[in-house]
Amino acid sequence: QKEVEQNSGPLSVPEGAIASLNCTYSDRVSQSFFWYRQYSGKSPELIMSIYSNGDKEDGRFTAQLNKASQYVSLLIRDSQPSDSATYLCAVVMDSNYQLIWGAGTKLIIKP
Amino acid sequence: NAGVMQNPRHLVRRRGQEARLRCSPMKGHSHVYWYRQLPEEGLKFMVYLQKENIIDESGMPKERFSAEFPKEGPSILRIQQVVRGDSAAYFCASSPETEETQYFGPGTRLLVL
Repeated sequence: QKEVEQNSGPLSVPEGAIASLNCTYSDRVSQSFFWYRQYSGKSPELIMSIYSNGDKEDGRFTAQLNKASQYVSLLIRDSQPSDSATYLCAVVMDSNYQLIWGAGTKLIIKP
Repeated sequence: NAGVMQNPRHLVRRRGQEARLRCSPMKGHSHVYWYRQLPEEGLKFMVYLQKENIIDESGMPKERFSAEFPKEGPSILRIQQVVRGDSAAYFCASSPETEETQYFGPGTRLLVL
């Protein structure tokens, strides 16, 4: 069964610190990985996509991919209260472009 | 370029009525996905459609639920004889033909009384 696993949290991080969100997936041949953010009562919005091993940085966000270990992570530097949301990991596991979704990690940034 | 549009944003139905949820994908997008989200729960995949074709409906309940994406017009998610357990947020997402990234609409909040 194709699965994407995330710790549901909540993950509590003090303001200004680094928040680290992790995601593991079951299909070794997966090639495309996405992080979405969902605020309470709102729809998911894309933060980052990553396709190659290593780090990809965009502002305060860094996505890290390790295909050998089958995990992808999202680091948020200088965390702000406005970063408080649920973060969803999604992985493409086959050729028809469907995303397999994790259940999401709830992040709380404490002022 | 307008984003994914969904309407209505809020829908109230009494038990036994029908609910019709509409989704207009982003311009140039030919793939549509429907998800359901219960309060404080994760996204649950329901159905994946391309124009005039259902590609994967493995997440759709076998009874009362149907979806279509006609050649012209929006995609429709139809729920017949609604029950209280159908109360949820229903999100539509779209993607272009050669890209996996999905872009979400604002959702329809269905409340069944």
